[in-house]
Amino acid sequence: QVQLVESGGTVVQPGSSVRLSCAASGFTFRTHAMHWVRQAPGKGLEWVAVIWYDGSEKYYADSVKGRFTISRDNPKNTVYLQMSSLRVEDTAVYYCARDPPASGWTLDCWGQGALVTVSP
Amino acid sequence: QSALTQPPSASGSPGQSVTISCTGATSDIGGYNYVSWYQQHPGQAPKLMISEVTKRPSGVPDRFSGSKSGNTASLTVSGLQAEDEAYYYCFSYAGNNNLLFGGGTKLTVL
Repeated sequence: QVQLVESGGTVVQPGSSVRLSCAASGFTFRTHAMHWVRQAPGKGLEWVAVIWYDGSEKYYADSVKGRFTISRDNPKNTVYLQMSSLRVEDTAVYYCARDPPASGWTLDCWGQGALVTVSP
Repeated sequence: QSALTQPPSASGSPGQSVTISCTGATSDIGGYNYVSWYQQHPGQAPKLMISEVTKRPSGVPDRFSGSKSGNTASLTVSGLQAEDEAYYYCFSYAGNNNLLFGGGTKLTVL
């Protein structure tokens, strides 16, 4: 079955860097765009970044632009989120989500999330 | 860019219908038919309920339906059931490869 599993969640200090991974299985990973979405404690969902199926295009929310980098390794069926210059307000559960071809920006499968806590 | 506007809460009794609105602008909801809706129970990952304004994925009950008029999209839940109690989020393409969520609506089944 389709599965997305995030890893790399941790507790860090402001200014630190963290890399999250999302391992995909059960579908043809290389044909799907992939997104990261985050949710601060007790808050709503916030779109973070997207990467095209082949890695050729990457786009970010203004709140993370210049600090976060999305990438993927198709042979390893994995998408990454490199987070740098972390701030307290980046504390959140980070979800990866699948965006099928020609789906009109639809996130049809989500991982269980990875918690990143940024605390002095 | 600001989040899409949803009412913080909505409620209905079992068997009733409830509609949740999601208001944006001509640059997002009004400009594209790329609105989706997600259900999230506490402590769980979101689940896709509606895609591209009106499409219902396989496995989602037909009690859930979506629509759009101008800059406002709506999710209607008919025949409310206890398990429908959850948070619901709208999501829209906003042009220039930017994407927006709504602030979320807590649906309570009375």
